[in-house]
Amino acid sequence: QSALTQPASVSGSPGQSITISCTGTSSDVGSYNLVSWFQQHPGKAPKLMIYEGSKRPSGVSNRFSGSKSANTASLTISGLQAEDEADYYCCSYAGSSTLVFGGGTKLTVL
Amino acid sequence: QVQLVQSGTEVKKPGASVKVSCKASGYSFTGYGVTWVRQAPGQGLEWMGWISTLNGDTHYAQKLQGRVTMTTDTSTSTAYMELRSLRSDDTAVYYCSKGDWTIDSWGQGTLVTVSS
Repeated sequence: QSALTQPASVSGSPGQSITISCTGTSSDVGSYNLVSWFQQHPGKAPKLMIYEGSKRPSGVSNRFSGSKSANTASLTISGLQAEDEADYYCCSYAGSSTLVFGGGTKLTVL
Repeated sequence: QVQLVQSGTEVKKPGASVKVSCKASGYSFTGYGVTWVRQAPGQGLEWMGWISTLNGDTHYAQKLQGRVTMTTDTSTSTAYMELRSLRSDDTAVYYCSKGDWTIDSWGQGTLVTVSS
């Protein structure tokens, strides 16, 4: 299956909000409420930020929120902080016991 | 707390095999599947496959079918991923993770370098 489509990069100033999109198809994002978002700092393992489209794990700031419309999922980060600068990956269940990741988005905090 | 501790860095020649281990602690090992993900240098995350820790069922990425085998040892709460016939484009950091369709914890990663 093909990777989900994410913008290569987004940027924002401290305090602003940004949104990262993740576009799939009716076979993955559009069919299941099983989209996750991961944050990855350089040289570190990914960290779960959002699961099942819009749920936040314990300990994740409420500045992070997720949503979905049709075949596109979105991650919004409000009140941008310097430590939010990282790579972000979406991931969706794609049927037949498979997962598919997005290509990743580099977030720069200006 | 949940911990997934992976084996150390590996350097292999093309055509060789590598087996990466992942020891879990802090949760009921058989209550969750184990997913393997890899990341080539400077690239994104790639799903490799998943294994049920309950019955050993496996599901592999199509591109790795025939070269990868995932297993578990429930007596030691350890998962293993073996990749055979290594090529240079298998050079990557390999991660084990807890969960199947929702991954909520990751190992620290194991760098596997394939070079002649």
